[in-house]
Amino acid sequence: AQSVTQPDIHITVSEGASLELRCNYSYGATPYLFWYVQSPGQGLQLLLKYFSGDTLVQGIKGFEAEFKRSQSSFNLRKPSVHWSDAAEYFCAVGAGSQGNLIFGKGTKLSVKP
Amino acid sequence: NAGVTQTPKFQVLKTGQSMTLQCAQDMNHEYMSWYRQDPGMGLRLIHYSVGAGITDQGEVPNGYNVSRSTTEDFPLRLLSAAPSQTSVYFCASSPGGRQAFFGQGTRLTVV
Repeated sequence: AQSVTQPDIHITVSEGASLELRCNYSYGATPYLFWYVQSPGQGLQLLLKYFSGDTLVQGIKGFEAEFKRSQSSFNLRKPSVHWSDAAEYFCAVGAGSQGNLIFGKGTKLSVKP
Repeated sequence: NAGVTQTPKFQVLKTGQSMTLQCAQDMNHEYMSWYRQDPGMGLRLIHYSVGAGITDQGEVPNGYNVSRSTTEDFPLRLLSAAPSQTSVYFCASSPGGRQAFFGQGTRLTVV
């Protein structure tokens, strides 16, 4: 069955430190992969997406993610975290031509001053 | 261009009441969907539609009804609200197979 796993429920990093959020997926075909961010009480904002081609994708707000087919992973990274990055992050895989998404359970990021 | 608009933003219902969550998009997307978000569960697909007159069930469809009479609108109906339906509901639209655009959500509490 198709699934997305985000192993870390909650991560705390210091402002200015680097960040890596993990995402593993299970999907039979070539996946469409997404990272979304959600600030408290807000909707979901797309950070970046991977459809094909270059396995390192750049997104908004200085985020990037790398698709590794051999590891079924799509980890999100940022070299230097800002306090405004505190939010919940969701990894998702596109599950069909209709645009259905399967989401991970999310990773909540806290940023220490 | 408003994108995906959901109304209301907040709603409190009593057990057994019915209501309709509204969703409208102005991007002429064929595909629309409803998700619910619960703490620690991520977002789960309730129903989706691939075009006017065509709907199908997602992962958690029980207790919800949908219809799609126009490309723009995709309302979600709660037939008899239960406390287990307390959640945040998101509507999304997509040009198909690719990026989904989400509304701002409806926070529903059933007491």
